[in-house]
Amino acid sequence: NAGVMQNPRHLVRRRGQEARLRCSPMKGHSHVYWYRQLPEEGLKFMVYLQKENIIDESGMPKERFSAEFPKEGPSILRIQQVVRGDSAAYFCASSAGTGDHGYTFGSGTRLTVV
Amino acid sequence: DAKTTQPPSMDCAEGRAANLPCNHSTISGNEYVYWYRQIHSQGPQYIIHGLKNNETNEMASLIITEDRKSSTLILPHATLRDTAVYYCIATTSYGNKLVFGAGTILRVKS
Repeated sequence: NAGVMQNPRHLVRRRGQEARLRCSPMKGHSHVYWYRQLPEEGLKFMVYLQKENIIDESGMPKERFSAEFPKEGPSILRIQQVVRGDSAAYFCASSAGTGDHGYTFGSGTRLTVV
Repeated sequence: DAKTTQPPSMDCAEGRAANLPCNHSTISGNEYVYWYRQIHSQGPQYIIHGLKNNETNEMASLIITEDRKSSTLILPHATLRDTAVYYCIATTSYGNKLVFGAGTILRVKS
């Protein structure tokens, strides 16, 4: 049973370009969470999604960032017009939701904006 | 979610037990205590969780005080590979986001 798959592992974008980060949850998991970790800092919650719904986006920057979790396919975190301050590790976690303890995290995507 | 307080760092000798404390004095009755760790920028790894009883699994033991205001994560025989940042989180179960604090940097030394 594959774990949470994130791709790409490393992504380099020039300022102003778009970054698309993908997260495939564990089989049977319908809840996805995105976190950002800036260099030398802690993990910050960004957004929580269930299939086709955003449940909690309280940690998402108001502009340029969006997330989706379609009925079919992976969850996507999209960053438009990237800036150097977006350089970070982005982690995705999944859970089965009700009754599930122990979220499973992916290995992350390291975004570097040059 | 209840606020948790952890020491910023701890050292432990290889082969000895590592005891990582966590204070959660404002924890409510329906909040669990979760422990995760992050090894050198990898994705966080679930370790263990508990509500009020002590818990043990293949990785660690979790001791929760009777009043639930604090807990201790025990790694019985720490190895160099246990060097990581350990996070204690108090939150209601399932469907709720995890809020990570600064955690405790555990350094296991030979």
